Amino acid sequence: SQKIEQNSEALNIQEGKTATLTCNYTNYSPAYLQWYRQDPGRGPVFLLLIRENEKEKRKERLKVTFDTTLKQSLFHITASQPADSATYLCALALNSNYQLIWGAGTKLIIKP
Amino acid sequence: EAQVTQNPRYLITVTGKKLTVTCSQNMNHEYMSWYRQDPGLGLRQIYYSMNVEVTDKGDVPEGYKVSRKEKRNFPLILESPSPNQTSLYFCASRDPGQGYNEQFFGPGTRLTVL
Repeated sequence: SQKIEQNSEALNIQEGKTATLTCNYTNYSPAYLQWYRQDPGRGPVFLLLIRENEKEKRKERLKVTFDTTLKQSLFHITASQPADSATYLCALALNSNYQLIWGAGTKLIIKP
Repeated sequence: EAQVTQNPRYLITVTGKKLTVTCSQNMNHEYMSWYRQDPGLGLRQIYYSMNVEVTDKGDVPEGYKVSRKEKRNFPLILESPSPNQTSLYFCASRDPGQGYNEQFFGPGTRLTVL
């Protein structure tokens, strides 16, 4: 079956350290992958997009990698801050119709 | 300000009482979509629309209807709500372009069906 997996357990990170979140998928050949941030009771907000032919993408303190051989994307937040605490969602888009398929999200907690 | 708006934000209703959740975007996006979000399941697409008068089923369309008579509006209709439709609902829009573009989400509607 087709699946997208993100760590279901919350990730606790000390402020200032690098937080790394994982998105694994099976049986998909995505055209691209997106990462979103979601705060409690609010809609997801787009952060980064990475295409199938890109290995890495950066935006300020954020970095995303995409390994289509491993079927995995890693999302890194460097110099993490308590304000980075949120749930982070990954979403795959398939070539066929560009509809997004979503992971359940990982809750990130940055402790001061 | 570019945004997607949804109303109501919170709704408690009873089984079988028809309801409509409105969604409107001011970005002139052609593509709009409805999702429901349940704990541990992630966002699941209910319906989407590629343009005016064009709608398609997503992964979980049963029990829902939509319409797209104008580009900016995409209401979600529950003709006969049931308790298993208790969920957090999000409307989203994007400029389809090459299909790579980010989705913009509304603030969400928390629906409880008793």
